Amino acid sequence: EIVLTQSPDFQSVTPKEKVTITCRASQSIGSSLHWYQQKPDQSPKLLIKYASQSISGVPSRFSGSGSGTDFTLTINSLEAEDAAAYYCHQSSILPWTFGQGTKVEIK
Amino acid sequence: QLQLQESGPGLVKPSETLSLTCTVSRGSIGSTDYYWGWIRQPPGKGLEWIGSIYYSGSTYYNPSLESRVTISVDTSKNQFSLRLTSVTAADTAVYYCARLTVGGLFDYWGQGTLVTVSS
Repeated sequence: EIVLTQSPDFQSVTPKEKVTITCRASQSIGSSLHWYQQKPDQSPKLLIKYASQSISGVPSRFSGSGSGTDFTLTINSLEAEDAAAYYCHQSSILPWTFGQGTKVEIK
Repeated sequence: QLQLQESGPGLVKPSETLSLTCTVSRGSIGSTDYYWGWIRQPPGKGLEWIGSIYYSGSTYYNPSLESRVTISVDTSKNQFSLRLTSVTAADTAVYYCARLTVGGLFDYWGQGTLVTVSS
C-alpha cells in the first residue's frame, strides 16, 4: 500500500499569506496525485487533479506541482474562506490512499 | 449537477451488519465513464477508501476491509450499496459515497452520513 505523508499537520496562517502543503508518497506514483479541501461538517471537494491540473470553479489561488514522490499544494494569498483540512490522494496503485490531512487555521 | 445521497441506519450494534445505500440523481449510474465508491472518515480523523464498483457489478475493495465488505449496484434504481459485517466501535465513522473517474479520482461526493457502532 502506498503511504502518503503530508506536512505540516497543522498550520495557522494570516490572511493574504502564502500556504504550502507537501505530500510525499512512499513510492513513485507519477502524476496520479489529487488534492481535496474539506471544510468543517462538509464533504471533501476536489481542488487539483493529476498533481497540477486545475478544476473548474476552484479559485486560481490554488495550484499544485510535483511528480513521482513529492508534491505540493500552494494557496497564494490565503483568504478566510480557505480555513479547512486539505488531503492528498493517490490513484496510481490500489488500494487508493489518502494523506493524513493538513488543517489550515486562519489567525 | 450530479447529486449523491447516502441513506441508512445511524446506529448499529457491535457484531451486526452496517448497510448503506447511495442514491444518484441528475446522472446515470450506468455511465461507462465512471465508477462509484465508498469512503469513510472516523470522527476527527482522515479519509479511508472502502471500495468501488462499476455499473456492470465489478468491484474492488480495500484489502484492510475486504473480508467484511460487499458493494453492490442496482442500475434500475440508480443506486449502489455498502454492507460491512461484524462491525466494532472502530467502524464508527462518517460514510461518504462518491463518483470516481476512470483515473480513480473522486469528483463528486455525497454529504456523508454518520454511523455509530454502539450497543
